[in-house]
Amino acid sequence: AQSVTQPDIHITVSEGASLELRCNYSYGATPYLFWYVQSPGQGLQLLLKYFSGDTLVQGIKGFEAEFKRSQSSFNLRKPSVHWSDAAEYFCAVARRGGNKLVFGAGTILRVKS
Amino acid sequence: NAGVTQTPKFQVLKTGQSMTLQCAQDMNHEYMSWYRQDPGMGLRLIHYSVGAGITDQGEVPNGYNVSRSTTEDFPLRLLSAAPSQTSVYFCASRLGTSPHEQFFGPGTRLTVL
Repeated sequence: AQSVTQPDIHITVSEGASLELRCNYSYGATPYLFWYVQSPGQGLQLLLKYFSGDTLVQGIKGFEAEFKRSQSSFNLRKPSVHWSDAAEYFCAVARRGGNKLVFGAGTILRVKS
Repeated sequence: NAGVTQTPKFQVLKTGQSMTLQCAQDMNHEYMSWYRQDPGMGLRLIHYSVGAGITDQGEVPNGYNVSRSTTEDFPLRLLSAAPSQTSVYFCASRLGTSPHEQFFGPGTRLTVL
């Protein structure tokens, strides 16, 4: 069965520190890959997506993610975290040719000053 | 454009009551979907529609009905509410059936007593 795993439920980083949020997927072939962010009480906003091509993708708000086929991973990174980045982050995948988006359980990011 | 709108924002029901969660989008998107969000489980797909008059079940459809009489509207009906349906519900839409960016509404927080 298709699945998306975000191993870290909570992560706390200091403001200005670097961030990496992990995402692993289990699919028969390389799926479409997404990262969404949800601020408290809000809906989800797309940070970035990977369909094909360059495996390092740039997104909004200074985020980037790297697709690694050999590790079935799509980890999200940011070189310097701001307090406003505190939110919940969701990795999501969709099978190529399909139309359903499958979400991971989410990682809650806390930023300490 | 208002994007994806959902009403109500909050709702409390008693077990056995019925209600309809409203979702509308003004982007002329073909694809619309409903998710529920529960702590530690990410977002799970309830029902989706690839166009007016066409709906299909997602991962957790039991206890919910949908219809799509217009491109703009995609209401979600709870026929007989149960405490297990206490959740936050998100409606989303996207252009086309391939996994382009999904736009999410602000959510409806539902409590079933």
